[in-house]
Amino acid sequence: GAVVSQHPSWVICKSGTSVKIECRSLDFQATTMFWYRQFPKQSLMLMATSNEGSKATYEQGVEKDKFLINHASLTLSTLTVTSAHPEDSSFYICSASRSKVNTEAFFGQGTRLTVV
Amino acid sequence: EDQVTQSPEALRLQEGESSSLNCSYTVSGLRGLFWYRQDPGKGPEFLFTLYSAGEEKEKERLKATLTKKESFLHITAPKPEDSATYLCAVRTIKAAGNKLTFGGGTRVLVKP
Repeated sequence: GAVVSQHPSWVICKSGTSVKIECRSLDFQATTMFWYRQFPKQSLMLMATSNEGSKATYEQGVEKDKFLINHASLTLSTLTVTSAHPEDSSFYICSASRSKVNTEAFFGQGTRLTVV
Repeated sequence: EDQVTQSPEALRLQEGESSSLNCSYTVSGLRGLFWYRQDPGKGPEFLFTLYSAGEEKEKERLKATLTKKESFLHITAPKPEDSATYLCAVRTIKAAGNKLTFGGGTRVLVKP
């Protein structure tokens, strides 16, 4: 299957600082990537759709100024959690698909963010 | 509004005890139904895609089936390594791009 790599796997940061998470498609180009947030024992909650070369599309209730998304190339999307607070602590996961037609999505390994 | 509901929320099985997980969906128009496996602290791992009612897919001890209202993931003679959370997701005609809507997942624990 296709490989999507996410980095870092875990990060601890202080309140008020910003954290950047990278999502890379290693063996295919992805014009669209998705960012999810997952709370313990819950399912994935879509945060935003990352579009290469254009602005991200955010889901209702997700603060675009808090969660900055940049899709600078066909293989890289980044999520920056700005001015992090303890309530931003969570598991963040990205996904990408090989093409725009109806194909399966492949997920990164996830990033565990802890804000202290 | 598109909805995906998985049941049960949790399932405890003895090794070798076959069972089925359910994913029921109410969507405007189904473009695809996907099953994923997720281990603790990891991202979901793709298992199957089903596109039309009557379709079936198999992989080792897992078999996925699809009807017009629901999908089942059958686990035959499970082993402890099948313990994981199984996620069902749908892609609909209305969804932009390849956006997925996930169910709540079923946590499966297989005891030796």
